[in-house]
Amino acid sequence: DAGITQSPRHKVTETGTPVTLRCHQTENHRYMYWYRQDPGHGLRLIHYSYGVKDTDKGEVSDGYSVSRSKTEDFLLTLESATSSQTSVYFCATGQPNEKLFFGSGTQLSVL
Amino acid sequence: GENVEQHPSTLSVQEGDSAVIKCTYSDSASNYFPWYKQELGKRPQLIIDIRSNVGEKKDQRIAVTLNKTAKHFSLHITETQPEDSAVYFCAVFTGGGNKLTFGTGTQLKVEL
Repeated sequence: DAGITQSPRHKVTETGTPVTLRCHQTENHRYMYWYRQDPGHGLRLIHYSYGVKDTDKGEVSDGYSVSRSKTEDFLLTLESATSSQTSVYFCATGQPNEKLFFGSGTQLSVL
Repeated sequence: GENVEQHPSTLSVQEGDSAVIKCTYSDSASNYFPWYKQELGKRPQLIIDIRSNVGEKKDQRIAVTLNKTAKHFSLHITETQPEDSAVYFCAVFTGGGNKLTFGTGTQLKVEL
């Protein structure tokens, strides 16, 4: 969808280990977003970026950090994974007040 | 932060009937309201959106209505078909248009 690639697609890790998820876009969109999706909660915003090196927190940012060193790439890092971070993670790109395009998602399991 | 409430959480209709999903929001400055459809195991995809300068928008069997005064908007699907079965999310741009906040979703099931 709109040239958005998430990697990995699936990951199983252990509690306490660091994890990095990658989102890569080819659309030159200024804004990039990381959401997590859990049953009963819909899609909740973790962090977003409005330009290279410009990021801000969403509603569920605790335990997560992000970095954007290039327009194309937005990284989400779990410094020390916990079981509560088991979820499906979606990256999205777009412009303010316009359609967002979503990646295929990453299924993360923290055991 | 922005509060987006969506109802109902589940909706079951007979094929050919209409389905209506409602959302309310709190940020009076919001002016763009998209609806996303998510099939099982897939990514969310935009199906229709509306801006605050219009009250209704239609696209074939789907329509969205907006009441800015009351701060609510609704998705209407007519002549439902089995392929309409999915989870539907409303969303609102907040934070000056920077952040897209989603409702909690409606599981729509269209029964034969």
